[in-house]
Amino acid sequence: TQLLEQSPQFLSIQEGENLTVYCNSSSVFSSLQWYRQEPGEGPVLLVTVVTGGEVKKLKRLTFQFGDARKDSSLHITAAQPGDTGLYLCAVPTYPYNTDKLIFGTGTRLQVFP
Amino acid sequence: EAQVTQNPRYLITVTGKKLTVTCSQNMNHEYMSWYRQDPGLGLRQIYYSMNVEVTDKGDVPEGYKVSRKEKRNFPLILESPSPNQTSLYFCASSFYAAEQETQYFGPGTRLLVL
Repeated sequence: TQLLEQSPQFLSIQEGENLTVYCNSSSVFSSLQWYRQEPGEGPVLLVTVVTGGEVKKLKRLTFQFGDARKDSSLHITAAQPGDTGLYLCAVPTYPYNTDKLIFGTGTRLQVFP
Repeated sequence: EAQVTQNPRYLITVTGKKLTVTCSQNMNHEYMSWYRQDPGLGLRQIYYSMNVEVTDKGDVPEGYKVSRKEKRNFPLILESPSPNQTSLYFCASSFYAAEQETQYFGPGTRLLVL
């Protein structure tokens, strides 16, 4: 059983569309991170959310941490081909210590021009 | 440029032939980790290190060894590789500031064990 469930697993959309991907769990976490991994590269940290209900924006990307700190969503507005990649959420197994991270299986996004 | 480097990037080997994948970071980070990434299973932590000479098991440590003799280097050792260790491996280093931690990943090493 996966601690973190990400949905959808795969998403193919046209440039300009909006999308939302989800990261869900039955456990409560002190923080949650989102990463993007492009083909042939390692994951790159996008954002860390730490407060229940917190919303962070990174250009066209909006991240929200659930009120109960069990889930998170990533919304992309007007997707572009450069957004293509694998989106991973991750949580620490110890509070405030991400040395021991658990990752979701990811959402693979393809944005067509 | 701040970075994590791994070598080799690609490796094909045979069962039982010892190999080492090197990892080096130039950011003076105390924390370093190794992960493997497999389809359907995502990224799983193999080992991590909180500082020089301090290492601990992650979620899938069986068949692997690590060492941390210097702060910048964290090699991953497969003493007797087996086909189920065929995978994509990532090294990462991280720092902790303002109650948040940032991990930097290397470019990955794709290993095939025949």
